[in-house]
Amino acid sequence: KAGVTQTPRYLIKTRGQQVTLSCSPISGHRSVSWYQQTPGQGLQFLFEYFSETQRNKGNFPGRFSGRQFSNSRSEMNVSTLELGDSALYLCASSPGMAGTEAFFGQGTRLTVV
Amino acid sequence: GDSVTQMEGPVTLSEEAFLTINCTYTATGYPSLFWYVQYPGEGLQLLLKATKADDKGSNKGFEATYRKETTSFHLEKGSVQVSDSAVYFCALSAYNQGGKLIFGQGTELSVKP
Repeated sequence: KAGVTQTPRYLIKTRGQQVTLSCSPISGHRSVSWYQQTPGQGLQFLFEYFSETQRNKGNFPGRFSGRQFSNSRSEMNVSTLELGDSALYLCASSPGMAGTEAFFGQGTRLTVV
Repeated sequence: GDSVTQMEGPVTLSEEAFLTINCTYTATGYPSLFWYVQYPGEGLQLLLKATKADDKGSNKGFEATYRKETTSFHLEKGSVQVSDSAVYFCALSAYNQGGKLIFGQGTELSVKP
């Protein structure tokens, strides 16, 4: 079955702009989580959506937001981009029960200039 | 709060050497534990998992045992190959946090021929 698809793979934006990233989970999976990966901070949890509702949220400012659609596809949005938002953004798909493994997409590499 | 601590890298080994990457965790309740691997330019792939104390996860020659008494989940492989060169992440999923994963900082492994 198809894996987790993230689009776009690469993105370059200017400070102050906003950006939307997309994630299509594995068919049948109801949970989508987003992570930010940077060399300095490692992998940090942004938020999790389950059946169109935000179920968990990490410690990121309100500029970071997300949503999930009825087909489980998810988008995350970052407004008023800062240089420090440059990172690899990873989406993870899972059935959503604790203890079940997550499957990751290849990520979107965002560069803010 | 819940956390994961991994040994710092990079770790450099010769081919066929024995590998151990230490991982300890702090969590309330009984988390599930995972090892993920990330190859350059890619997302994370699940390597193995364990969902309860004394479980041993194994895959592709890698093993890790869930030790509740020492809150550890050390990754081992008896004979590493050049193709094992990657970054390895230990992670936990708390019993009441749905699909959210908490990651260690990652350990880079480099295997030389």
